[in-house]
Formats: sequence, structure tokens, C-alpha cells
Amino acid sequence: GQNIDQPTEMTATEGAIVQINCTYQTSGFNGLFWYQQHAGEAPTFLSYNVLDGLEEKGRFSSFLSRSKGYSYLLLKELQMKDSASYLCAVMDSNYQLIWGAGTKLIIKP
Amino acid sequence: IAGITQAPTSQILAAGRRMTLRCTQDMRHNAMYWYRQDLGLGLRLIHYSNTAGTTGKGEVPDGYSVSRANTDDFPLTLASAVPSQTSVYFCASSEAGSTGELFFGEGSRLTVL
Repeated sequence: GQNIDQPTEMTATEGAIVQINCTYQTSGFNGLFWYQQHAGEAPTFLSYNVLDGLEEKGRFSSFLSRSKGYSYLLLKELQMKDSASYLCAVMDSNYQLIWGAGTKLIIKP
Repeated sequence: IAGITQAPTSQILAAGRRMTLRCTQDMRHNAMYWYRQDLGLGLRLIHYSNTAGTTGKGEVPDGYSVSRANTDDFPLTLASAVPSQTSVYFCASSEAGSTGELFFGEGSRLTVL
């Protein structure tokens, strides 16, 4: 079966760095996505990786290793507004998105 | 403002009733999707449409139906609601052939009693 694993909850301190991991087992691979979802709101797109390596976008970076079935989202200089759930999703061979349950990130002052 | 509009934002419904969740987008995206989101679970695809006039079943289609008469509208119908359909429903769209970035509506919170 297809599976996306990510931690349920993480806590970090304002101004610090946090890494949210995602491991996947899917039938085929056509890219990995990270979305941010604030409580009570819709998910919004953060990043897309299809090749191995690091993609940097401001304070957020996303890494992919296809051979290991592994990705992480790195958030630097954490701000209180980064408190949200972070969803990992993989596009399989049928171009359908398989979603992880999300990681709730709690930022403490 | 361009985007996806869902209605209603919230609804309480008696079991056995029929309910239609509306979704309209003005981005001229070909592909549209309906997801449900439940606590502790990832987003699960209910139905999708790659282009106007076509629809397909997702991971959890039972008890739901959709139609795609035109590019902009993609309503989701619960023919006879059951309590297990209590959930938050998200409509989304994407450009066909894109990297797959989805644009989501604000969600419809449905409670079936």
C-alpha cells in the first residue's frame, strides 16, 4: 500500500530552526509537495521537489532523497505565525496526490 | 479576487438528508478535486475532474457524487447523509499538466447528526 509518514506534533522556539521529516512509500513518484495549513484554514502551497537535493525559498527549504523515500522541510528564524500544520504529499504514478496526516508545529516564545 | 469559493462554510444536517456542497473557481483551471479532512488522517480524495464533462472516483467515493457541467463549477452531493460523513470538505483546483500545485477553497464544515 501507499504510505506517507510524518511526526504528529513538534514544538520549537521562536527564532530557532526546525526540521520536519517525511518518509514515503508510493507506487511511483512524480514529485513531493509541502503545504502549510493554519488552524481552521485551507492548505497553501509551500514547495515542490521532483529531483534530489535542496530547494530554498526564503526562510523555508525542502530537501528530497528519492532513493531513501525521504524529504524534510526546514524552517529557519521561526516566527509565531509559523505555528501551523505542515502537510507532506507525494504524487504517484497515476498523478494522484497521496497525503500525510500532517505535522502540527507549535512555536513557543 | 481570483480563487475558489465554497458554500456553505458550515452546515449541520440530519442523517438521511440530501446535501450539495458548492464549489466555484475563476482561475480557468481544468482540474478540480474534492477532499475530506478528518482529524489524524491525511486529506482523502473523494472525486476529481480533469476537465469539464469528465469525472473520476478518488480514494473514498462511496456516498458522494459530483458533476462538472462547465469549467468553473464542481458541486459535491451527498444523496443521503450519514454521521460518518461528518468532516471538513475542501474543494481544490489545478492547471492541467502543471507541477500539481493545488489551490484550495476555504472549506465546508459538515456535521451529520
